[in-house]
Amino acid sequence: NAGVTQTPKFQVLKTGQSMTLQCAQDMNHEYMSWYRQDPGMGLRLIHYSVGAGITDQGEVPNGYNVSRSTTEDFPLRLLSAAPSQTSVYFCASSYLSDGYSGNTIYFGEGSWLTVV
Amino acid sequence: AQKITQTQPGMFVQEKEAVTLDCTYDTSDPSYGLFWYKQPSSGEMIFLIYQGSYDQQNATEGRYSLNFQKARKSANLVISASQLGDSAMYFCAMREGPRMRSGGGADGLTFGKGTHLIIQP
Repeated sequence: NAGVTQTPKFQVLKTGQSMTLQCAQDMNHEYMSWYRQDPGMGLRLIHYSVGAGITDQGEVPNGYNVSRSTTEDFPLRLLSAAPSQTSVYFCASSYLSDGYSGNTIYFGEGSWLTVV
Repeated sequence: AQKITQTQPGMFVQEKEAVTLDCTYDTSDPSYGLFWYKQPSSGEMIFLIYQGSYDQQNATEGRYSLNFQKARKSANLVISASQLGDSAMYFCAMREGPRMRSGGGADGLTFGKGTHLIIQP
């Protein structure tokens, strides 16, 4: 079981460059999301998706685009990277159900992004 | 207003002592879930324990227990018999309301700023 796989694990970008952080899960989860973690801030929700073709904004969506063409994949795109986007990014997935138990949210291992 | 407040930025604890990490939350939704995650220096997020707002008993998972005081809106994590390997960042998080099947609203976890726990030998 691969779980939630994020790539790349480390990336350095120049200001203005674009890139895509990949997230894939093999558990047939409907719900996928992206968070960013900054020092002293905890994790904050960027975008999420409740199924293929459906995405929505979280708390800090500016500067990021997402799409969900398949159940398995949920890429996060930075169209024009800025130093303020230097952060650690986490992808998470879970089943979508009316109730929820705590151990059904799976996190990827994180992607460290530096924008210079 | 912050939805999740962790008032202890850092804690030093002697090995084998019990540890209580504080978490208070703010929500008007009657249906919510509270989570604790551990983040070691390697960076991954490790799920520890979960408490649902309608759960009658406090959650326990091995050495971890959650002291859930609903009226006070607190969900403190208790680690019994701490070990050196418990040194890490600890995050309290909340998910509000039932999940929506068609999107709309921020249907994710809201995290606190974390507590850096250091276990000393």
